Amino acid sequence: EDKVVQSPLSLVVHEGDTVTLNCSYEVTNFRSLLWYKQEKKAPTFLFMLTSSGIEKKSGRLSSILDKKELFSILNITATQTGDSAVYLCAVEDYGGNKLVFGAGTILRVKS
Amino acid sequence: ETGVTQTPRHLVMGMTNKKSLKCEQHLGHNAMYWYKQSAKKPLELMFVYNFKEQTENNSVPSRFSPECPNSSHLFLHLHTLQPEDSALYLCASRTGVGYGYTFGSGTRLTVV
Repeated sequence: EDKVVQSPLSLVVHEGDTVTLNCSYEVTNFRSLLWYKQEKKAPTFLFMLTSSGIEKKSGRLSSILDKKELFSILNITATQTGDSAVYLCAVEDYGGNKLVFGAGTILRVKS
Repeated sequence: ETGVTQTPRHLVMGMTNKKSLKCEQHLGHNAMYWYKQSAKKPLELMFVYNFKEQTENNSVPSRFSPECPNSSHLFLHLHTLQPEDSALYLCASRTGVGYGYTFGSGTRLTVV
């Protein structure tokens, strides 16, 4: 059964700090790994990663995948209070038709 | 708005009530999903529909009954629920396998 573990479970930082969120996974036949941000209710898509070592970037957010070590990281530089949210990691394998999610990391950015 | 609309936003129901959650998308997506989100737990997959056909039922108790009349609408019918069923119920859709989900804002369900 596919499994996703995120760490830390929660994190409090000050504005301007850089944070790294971790996601490790166990998947039978890996297809992709996705990151979502959940502020109030609807998770919103951040990145989809399929290849090792290729960094995806969007503004102050970036993510990279290591398929050998089975993990991904999400980096946020120069954090702002608007980055406060739950960050969800999910994986999909070739055999299934669904995303399997981790429990999320709760990030709180203090001003 | 994400393009996936869920109603109602909040629902309080007694254990003997019958209610329904609704999800609607006009994104042209072919797959729709129900997930349950409880505090500090991973999103739990409940049901998967592809082209209106149910392709997965993740051992969900029969007090939850899904319905997908067409590829744009998905319902979750609820009856005789338990307090532990209180959670955020999220609907999602996507074009197909290999694509990311678009989520609705969810229904916050409280069973009293």
